Amino acid sequence: QVTLRESGPALVKPTQTLTLTCTFSGFSLTTSGMCVSWIRQPPGKALEWLALIDWDDEKYYRTSLETRLTISKDTSKNQVVLTMTNMDPVDTATYYCARTPSYLGAVDYWGQGALVTVSS
Amino acid sequence: DIVLTQSPDSLAVSLGERATINCKSSQSVLFSSTDKNYLAWYQQKPGQPPNLLIYWASTRESGVPDRFSGSGSGTDFTLTISSLQAEDVAVYYCQQYYSTPPGTFGQGTKLEIK
Repeated sequence: QVTLRESGPALVKPTQTLTLTCTFSGFSLTTSGMCVSWIRQPPGKALEWLALIDWDDEKYYRTSLETRLTISKDTSKNQVVLTMTNMDPVDTATYYCARTPSYLGAVDYWGQGALVTVSS
Repeated sequence: DIVLTQSPDSLAVSLGERATINCKSSQSVLFSSTDKNYLAWYQQKPGQPPNLLIYWASTRESGVPDRFSGSGSGTDFTLTISSLQAEDVAVYYCQQYYSTPPGTFGQGTKLEIK
């Protein structure tokens, strides 16, 4: 059974750095073709793909945000971590981690999401 | 970046009737070497994460009712619900994964009961 769960602060102040952890089970990020993504959704708005890390530790970022984003993995803990620097109120969103196998291209499993509010 | 534009933004359909949602890409998402369209469709109900319905433009995900179907190629795609059920009320998103990861989503189409 594949599960993903996001954890991190619910509230961050402007200019602070956000660190979110995705803890997953039911698959391994050492398996060829396996990837995990971070995707966010501002309240009432559309989905926005932020970053992806693959089994080979290749990393990909949304062009407009890549100077602020870092994705990393700890395969021994089955975790993927996303950091986003210089947070702004417009970054208020639900942040999802999601399994994205390369043989599928699409997201087949999602976490429940973590709402992060940026406010002073 | 590839931009996906969905139409309409919202849609009201009577129970049992057909619902059609369109997705137009700013460039082709057909990968010639695989002859596959790198496009997926998701359903999102309030307070829930999205749920994968269709991938490779027309392949239904396991467990998805067969009233959902995807079609199209290149730059123009359609999600069709053949006979709308009450539980299909949701927001629907298309997503491309042709461009270097990560991909992009359409703006969403809200489907309601008329």
